[in-house]
Amino acid sequence: DAGVTQSPTHLIKTRGQQVTLRCSPKSGHDTVSWYQQALGQGPQFIFQYYEEEERQRGNFPDRFSGHQFPNYSSELNVNALLLGDSALYLCASSPPARGRSMNTEAFFGQGTRLTVV
Amino acid sequence: AQKITQTQPGMFVQEKEAVTLDCTYDTSDQSYGLFWYKQPSSGEMIFLIYQGSYDEQNATEGRYSLNFQKARKSANLVISASQLGDSAMYFCAMRDHSGYSTLTFGKGTMLLVSP
Repeated sequence: DAGVTQSPTHLIKTRGQQVTLRCSPKSGHDTVSWYQQALGQGPQFIFQYYEEEERQRGNFPDRFSGHQFPNYSSELNVNALLLGDSALYLCASSPPARGRSMNTEAFFGQGTRLTVV
Repeated sequence: AQKITQTQPGMFVQEKEAVTLDCTYDTSDQSYGLFWYKQPSSGEMIFLIYQGSYDEQNATEGRYSLNFQKARKSANLVISASQLGDSAMYFCAMRDHSGYSTLTFGKGTMLLVSP
């Protein structure tokens, strides 16, 4: 059973460019969350997608947007890249609500390491 | 707003010894969940252990146990019999009662296990 897969694993972009990161959730999971982890920090919640809609959003500017597809996979898009967007971007998936309780852990992918130069 | 504080940037322990990683939290919710994740250099966050705010017993998962002191708002991770493979970043995280699965993380503690 494949876990959460993210692509690409590494990416180098120039300031001002746009980037798209991809995530396939664990089999049976329908909810996808994205986190940004700057160097030396803990992950920070960007947003969550459920039923192809953004359900919850953290404190990130509109330059960060996303999408969820009918097969539950998701994309994270960042426009007008800044040097400060350099980070590890983690995707986490969770099972359907009826199978979810407070103790349901989120499963994480290995992340995409984005470097903005 | 929820907040997780991990005050130990780094910890050193010898193989086979026990180590405690500190975590304090702040929330106005009565119902919440606390998690510990391990992050090796590969980047993936690996779930270790969970404690619910209404759980009366401290959680245990193999060599991992959680020392939960609700009145002090602390949820320390205890790793017994440390192994070289335990060297990694460790994050404490909290989930609120909304059930949306989103997590608030601390800054983490780097654990180094020496032979």
